[in-house]
Amino acid sequence: DQQVKQNSPSLSVQEGRISILNCDYTNSMFDYFLWYKKYPAEGPTFLISISSIKDKNEDGRFTVFLNKSAKHLSLHIVPSQPGDSAVYFCAASVRRGGSEKLVFGKGTKLTVNP
Amino acid sequence: DTAVSQTPKYLVTQMGNDKSIKCEQNLGHDTMYWYKQDSKKFLKIMFSYNNKELIINETVPNRFSPKSPDKAHLNLHINSLELGDSAVYFCASSQAGRDYEQYFGPGTRLTVT
Repeated sequence: DQQVKQNSPSLSVQEGRISILNCDYTNSMFDYFLWYKKYPAEGPTFLISISSIKDKNEDGRFTVFLNKSAKHLSLHIVPSQPGDSAVYFCAASVRRGGSEKLVFGKGTKLTVNP
Repeated sequence: DTAVSQTPKYLVTQMGNDKSIKCEQNLGHDTMYWYKQDSKKFLKIMFSYNNKELIINETVPNRFSPKSPDKAHLNLHINSLELGDSAVYFCASSQAGRDYEQYFGPGTRLTVT
């Protein structure tokens, strides 16, 4: 039962252009949505989050949009840089006891070409 | 100074053996986690500990036993290893109030032959 889906396994964009990564979810109980970035042989790194009560959060070149009616979120990176090349995981969190349970998508590999 | 560290980075062992993976965080976080990334690249939570107390246990076989000697450490012991246990295991930690923002270790690649 895949509650968080990233339907594009890969995305390739030119340096300086916009990268748009998409994510869909099924569980209405999620309270936060996150994007994590992962380089090979490293652990995921937190990138940006959005509360379920918001529809947009911006941090520098990164903006996350949330459309609750469509159960869809997206990450916009503009302008894209070669160093942004990595696997991007969409995740959603739900409160469980004293911690948050994160449910991850399968990831989208972003390649930014110089 | 590494925030979340794991040892070993690579672990190759035979079926039936017992092995442990260690995790330490120096961020002062109260909550620690173990995740498994399988061959299909799905990253799934296994356990979560808050102040040495087990909070989340996601239908993981009893052969997996987390141990938290203090809130800076969460070790994972695996008994009677099976081929299907081959995966990358990630440790993570988070601070109270921002548990969705988790800090991951570099991962331990376990190969069971």
